[in-house]
Amino acid sequence: DSGVTQTPKHLITATGQRVTLRCSPRSGDLSVYWYQQSLDQGLQFLIQYYNGEERAKGNILERFSAQQFPDLHSELNLSSLELGDSALYFCASSVDLARSTDTQYFGPGTRLTVL
Amino acid sequence: EDQVTQSPEALRLQEGESSSLNCSYTVSGLRGLFWYRQDPGKGPEFLFTLYSAGEEKEKERLKATLTKKESFLHITAPKPEDSATYLCAVQADGGTSYGKLTFGQGTILTVHP
Repeated sequence: DSGVTQTPKHLITATGQRVTLRCSPRSGDLSVYWYQQSLDQGLQFLIQYYNGEERAKGNILERFSAQQFPDLHSELNLSSLELGDSALYFCASSVDLARSTDTQYFGPGTRLTVL
Repeated sequence: EDQVTQSPEALRLQEGESSSLNCSYTVSGLRGLFWYRQDPGKGPEFLFTLYSAGEEKEKERLKATLTKKESFLHITAPKPEDSATYLCAVQADGGTSYGKLTFGQGTILTVHP
């Protein structure tokens, strides 16, 4: 158990809908990262937040957005869902970018199925 | 652009048969190279971080090494419970990518009893 929690574990929805994925980082971690894992693309970085502020963006679609709240939990919002958005979505957290050791610990993931 | 290539894509071993997994990378400046283990449907589990060429780290039957262009994950006398996908990732130093990890496609390891 990495200490990172994600809800829900599974999500089944229809095309065009909107969903919210939730992540709670390990106690003491300030950075939260979101990744998407699909069979053809592997693990892809989406976005990073540090202490409530956006730090870096990867190949995140405009239909996707995220935020980190004052209690440091984070939510990933996916809207106008398409079949191709079906994937595993992982959240990871780390302590502090300023330190030399910045290991990211991953949560168990949310499996999204778009029908 | 940072790139990570892992080989082989899949590796089948007999229990006790030692082998190595390869991770080749290109990155503007390496902050760290990470190895993770992932079981089907689960989140990646952290194994090692390597920072500079020549560094080695060990954990049970696993040993990770790093050169300026690649990393190896050596598996000594593997057991069936070592079966998993092993992922390699790099973190670049500086720029706007901050903590972003760039992952390889992984090596699927199967160890037969």
